[in-house]
Amino acid sequence: NAGVMQNPRHLVRRRGQEARLRCSPVKGHSHVYWYRQLPEEGLKFMVYLQKENIIDESGMPKERFSAEFPKEGPSILRIQQVVRGDSAAYFCASSSNSGTRVYEQYFGPGTRLTVT
Amino acid sequence: QKEVEQNSGPLSVPEGAIASLNCTYSDRVSQSFFWYRQYSGKSPELIMSIYSNGDKEDGRFTAQLNKASQYVSLLIRDSQPSDSATYLCAVMPAGGTSYGKLTFGQGTILTVHP
Repeated sequence: NAGVMQNPRHLVRRRGQEARLRCSPVKGHSHVYWYRQLPEEGLKFMVYLQKENIIDESGMPKERFSAEFPKEGPSILRIQQVVRGDSAAYFCASSSNSGTRVYEQYFGPGTRLTVT
Repeated sequence: QKEVEQNSGPLSVPEGAIASLNCTYSDRVSQSFFWYRQYSGKSPELIMSIYSNGDKEDGRFTAQLNKASQYVSLLIRDSQPSDSATYLCAVMPAGGTSYGKLTFGQGTILTVHP
């Protein structure tokens, strides 16, 4: 019974490159969330997606960041032209489709992005 | 005022004692409340959810919710060194455009010493 899977676990990019972070939710979950944890800061919501739909992207920076959750395949968080300030841990979470458990979000192991 | 505030740490308790973690929130329409545990370098792990006023117990953990006071707490009984971690309080609104969005507190670092 696999939990949320994220890859890569560690990603190093030079300034100006693109970063692609992948997330496969718990089997049967169709709600996916992305959060960012900057060094010495708390967890911050970025975006909430369901299959082929962005439900809430109020936490996404206006530029360079995008997210998708296609009908088939993992959810992708894409950061274009990375800068040093993007260095952080990026966590994906997923939740169920029904009952009260639709509110409970389970986190993946995270992708630690380092921009050099 | 921060949306979700947790009691400042770090909190240190002896093994076997009760650890008490507190959290207040500012948005009155918040409906769902969660406690996560995060070990250093790891991802948050859901340990408790609570939706109604009162207490909810699960093993050594008890969550308490008081919506009138906008207050939620977590008690850990018989604390063990393995409970040493950062505990995150998270709040979700009832609905609307922010449904699904968890707002986290800054976390309380708990150390249980033998």
